[in-house]
Amino acid sequence: GAVVSQHPSRVICKSGTSVKIECRSLDFQATTMFWYRQFPKQSLMLMATSNEGSKATYEQGVEKDKFLINHASLTLSTLTVTSAHPEDSSFYICSARAGTSGTEQFFGPGTRLTVL
Amino acid sequence: AQTVTQSQPEMSVQEAETVTLSCTYDTSENNYYLFWYKQPPSRQMILVIRQEAYKQQNATENRFSVNFQKAAKSFSLKISDSQLGDTAMYFCAFMKHAGVRGNYQLIWGAGTKLIIKP
Repeated sequence: GAVVSQHPSRVICKSGTSVKIECRSLDFQATTMFWYRQFPKQSLMLMATSNEGSKATYEQGVEKDKFLINHASLTLSTLTVTSAHPEDSSFYICSARAGTSGTEQFFGPGTRLTVL
Repeated sequence: AQTVTQSQPEMSVQEAETVTLSCTYDTSENNYYLFWYKQPPSRQMILVIRQEAYKQQNATENRFSVNFQKAAKSFSLKISDSQLGDTAMYFCAFMKHAGVRGNYQLIWGAGTKLIIKP
């Protein structure tokens, strides 16, 4: 099946710094990418949807200036957590959808962010 | 708005037994898709099975099958001959058919933690 990678898998940073997480579709072109946040023992919470070449659409309650999403190519989307604080510590997962009619989302392995 | 409900927070069965995970959903849409995803301890989300609402036949994938009851808005997952590797969180998800440039967003259930005991 299609493979999605995320980098880094783990990151620890100091409060106030910015962290960038990359999501890449390795063997297909991702017209749409999704960014999720998952709290311990909970379901996935959709943060934003991004289509290649367009601005991301953020879900209600997600600060777009805090969580910057760039989907500059059909194989790469990035999530930048700006001025991170301890409450931003979480597991972040990206997924990608192929083509214009594909229904399946292919998930990255996730990134564990810890803000000290 | 669509909602997905998984009423079993946790289930535990012996290896080789059959287990059924329940999922109900609410929607006014007629065309949509339903999914079961598995998230093992590695936290990599894996698609288990998918069902198109317009198909009456229940989807099957080896030991995994679904009981799709469209009128009742029910979509349960049956795992036969359960194996230790089936231990994971299982999430039921709904996707509205959004068209060519639609957002294809998934609506997620809260998940069921399944433990397979040796």
